[in-house]
Amino acid sequence: DTAVSQTPKYLVTQMGNDKSIKCEQNLGHDTMYWYKQDSKKFLKIMFSYNNKELIINETVPNRFSPKSPDKAHLNLHINSLELGDSAVYFCASSHPQGAEGGFEKLFFGSGTQLSVL
Amino acid sequence: ELKVEQNPLFLSMQEGKNYTIYCNYSTTSDRLYWYRQDPGKSLESLFVLLSNGAVKQEGRLMASLDTKARLSTLHITAAVHDLSATYFCAVRYNAGNMLTFGGGTRLMVKP
Repeated sequence: DTAVSQTPKYLVTQMGNDKSIKCEQNLGHDTMYWYKQDSKKFLKIMFSYNNKELIINETVPNRFSPKSPDKAHLNLHINSLELGDSAVYFCASSHPQGAEGGFEKLFFGSGTQLSVL
Repeated sequence: ELKVEQNPLFLSMQEGKNYTIYCNYSTTSDRLYWYRQDPGKSLESLFVLLSNGAVKQEGRLMASLDTKARLSTLHITAAVHDLSATYFCAVRYNAGNMLTFGGGTRLMVKP
């Protein structure tokens, strides 16, 4: 079974639409994240979320919102999509207590390539 | 604002050669990560470095950390084609475990 899974893998949509990307992890981790990778491969944190706290990177537009129905899921909802939102979005998870030897290693999903036309 | 810079951004090398990728960061952090990304794929964790002088090795890759210089290195020994990928360093900057990534080093190992 895939540890961190995202759907869809590809998403093509028009400007102005609202879309969601789903993420699920079966690792029992308490913390999940969303990262954005642009066309130049720069990776940028968007959100860090556990069942107690949401931390938002202040550069992320408020059109982006994470939604967590339960500890194993962190979906990314995007309103009024813009051309500049085109990128690959990665979900990740980790155990905040550092179960893996205290390292808090991140496990990444396979990414969702979003293209806004 | 924490900045993380890697160099080189692109590296083409012959099999069998050695080389080092550098990662500099601008403010104090308690941990540094190295990740590998194959084209069109996700990121795979390679190393986590926690303390000054830490050294980790896995196969032909060895990572080290100098927290005083705010510098980490990823050394490649006797490169093979299978090592071709993009390598990212990342530094943790807050308690939410949010990471700032370097720009990545795209490594191509030629036969």
